[in-house]
Order: sequence, then C-alpha cells, then structure tokens
Amino acid sequence: LAKTTQPISMDSYEGQEVNITCSHNNIATNDYITWYQQFPSQGPRFIIQGYKTKVTNEVASLFIPADRKSSTLSLPRVSLSDTAVYYCLVGGEYGNKLVFGAGTILRVKS
Amino acid sequence: SAVISQKPSRDICQRGTSLTIQCQVDSQVTMMFWYRQQPGQSLTLIATANQGSEATYESGFVIDKFPISRPNLTFSTLTVSNLSPEDSSIYLCSVEGGGRAYNEQFFGPGTRLTVL
Repeated sequence: LAKTTQPISMDSYEGQEVNITCSHNNIATNDYITWYQQFPSQGPRFIIQGYKTKVTNEVASLFIPADRKSSTLSLPRVSLSDTAVYYCLVGGEYGNKLVFGAGTILRVKS
Repeated sequence: SAVISQKPSRDICQRGTSLTIQCQVDSQVTMMFWYRQQPGQSLTLIATANQGSEATYESGFVIDKFPISRPNLTFSTLTVSNLSPEDSSIYLCSVEGGGRAYNEQFFGPGTRLTVL
C-alpha cells in the first residue's frame, strides 16, 4: 500500500484558502487518492476523491499532477467549523481497505 | 449514504473484563469494518467483517482478543476481551456502499472506551 506523507498541522484564518499537500511517491496505477475529514468525537467522513488532474465538488477541490506522486486538497474560504483532521489516503489496488496515515490537523482561527 | 449508529457511545470498564460494541446500519451492506483510534492517533483497521464468513483480521489483531460477529447485513458486534488500560481507545465501525466514490466508507460516531 502506498504510504502518504502530510504536514502534521496547519493554521489558517477564517476566509482564507487552505491547501494541504500529500506526498505519495509509490502510488500504484490502480490507486485512487481520497481525502477524509474528522471532527473531534466523530468518525471520519469522505470529502473528495480523484485519480488525475482536478476534481471539484461542493466542499473542496483536489489537484493531482500528471505524475500523481502528490496531491493537494484545497479548501476555499475556510471557517471555524473547518477545524478538523484531514487524512489523505491512497488505495484501490488492495481492494476495500482504507489505510489512514497520521493526517493533518487544521486549525482555523478568527 | 449509510447512517451508522454505535452502542454504547462510551464506557468505563475494569481491567480483565470485556466490552461488546454494537454497530447498526440503516441499510444492508456487504462489507463492514472495525477500526481503533488510540488517543491523539490516527485510525488503525482491526478487521473486516463480511456477512456469512469469518472476519479477516489485520496484522497485530487476533480473534481471541477482538471477536467479531456479523449475523446479518445490517449489524455487527466487536468484543474487546480481557481489557487492559492499553485498550483505552475509540472504536469505530464503518461500511462501504452507497457512496459516490470508489471504496467510499461511512463511519459510525465511535465508542470511547476507558479501561481502569
């Protein structure tokens, strides 16, 4: 399973755009890149998934360069409620398993 | 998307006892998963539970310590046996299915276990 590396933590202010980059140098051809969000005292929830180029939904955008060795989760105009842990996961080749890395703690300040 | 509930939401147990955690899903799903999240840490997969077959355990987790039942397509239990303080964690169940994305999983709220 491809290992992921993310920053341990990031700080931001309300209204700013936040970009969290994840490195996954050993990503396999069949692997998708998925991001989950976890609030305190809750289970993780799916944010976005992509395979290549750019994906956008109502919550975030995901940028994936051509070599797919990294990806960037972009959160536009964050609010205090976006304070959470964000996990980057890479998988697909090994079926249904989700392997969570350490995640990035995002703190949004007013 | 699936809605998942867990019981109990939290418990405090004495060492040497066991705790059984229930996971209920509002729809039928094939694959259910159990995770452990130790304080301040990420999630670690304990086992995969498919209805009609034995659970598949990840490295470092054994059936004697974490027996799992999966009697039907909407329910599963995880028992944490012979508790020690090191078992103090949040235990989460999840299911796959009904999501928009490949391999998308939906998680329950977790069960916070404290072992004294």
